[in-house]
Amino acid sequence: DAGVIQSPRHEVTEMGQEVTLRCKPISGHDYLFWYRQTMMRGLELLIYFNNNVPIDDSGMPEDRFSAKMPNASFSTLKIQPSEPRDSAVYFCASSFPFQGENTGELFFGEGSRLTVL
Amino acid sequence: QKEVEQNSGPLSVPEGAIASLNCTYSDRGSQSFFWYRQYSGKSPELIMFIYSNGDKEDGRFTAQLNKASQYVSLLIRDSQPSDSATYLCAVKKVSFNKFYFGSGTKLNVKP
Repeated sequence: DAGVIQSPRHEVTEMGQEVTLRCKPISGHDYLFWYRQTMMRGLELLIYFNNNVPIDDSGMPEDRFSAKMPNASFSTLKIQPSEPRDSAVYFCASSFPFQGENTGELFFGEGSRLTVL
Repeated sequence: QKEVEQNSGPLSVPEGAIASLNCTYSDRGSQSFFWYRQYSGKSPELIMFIYSNGDKEDGRFTAQLNKASQYVSLLIRDSQPSDSATYLCAVKKVSFNKFYFGSGTKLNVKP
């Protein structure tokens, strides 16, 4: 089975530009998470969805960030306008809930490395 | 107070030794505990999962959980240079399916 698929893998943009990151979760997983990782702050949860509905967006840094999940197989994270401090690796992850034989573990995509100049 | 605390390291051990990685968490409502390994430039990958008090072994890896002390550890026996990576501890409250990650411990295994 294909894992979590993210695009683009690398993005270099200039301050003020709009950035859109994309994610396709593992088929059948009903939870989708967006994380941001930096050396200073580690892995930070930005937002997560259950069955396409946003459950907790308390980690979204500010109004410049938005996320959508229009269907079970696609999600986007948008930054508009982008700033240099947004430079980080953005990971998308998906999971089943913890029940039965499922550990509820997170499966991560390969990440999108964003550099804002 | 952070939800999950880890020593950032680096932790250096010689090849063949036991590496011991530790993690504490603040919320007694946490119910599932995970150890992820992350190689430089790569995404985290699960290596151990535990939810009951005690030890859980998988090959060279042993996870230990003590809920009374709010403490999780990972032991790596016969450490290999290929084990050199950052190890992330994660805890989850099942009711919310929300994961909290520690900042990670960087492990260096010297040949």
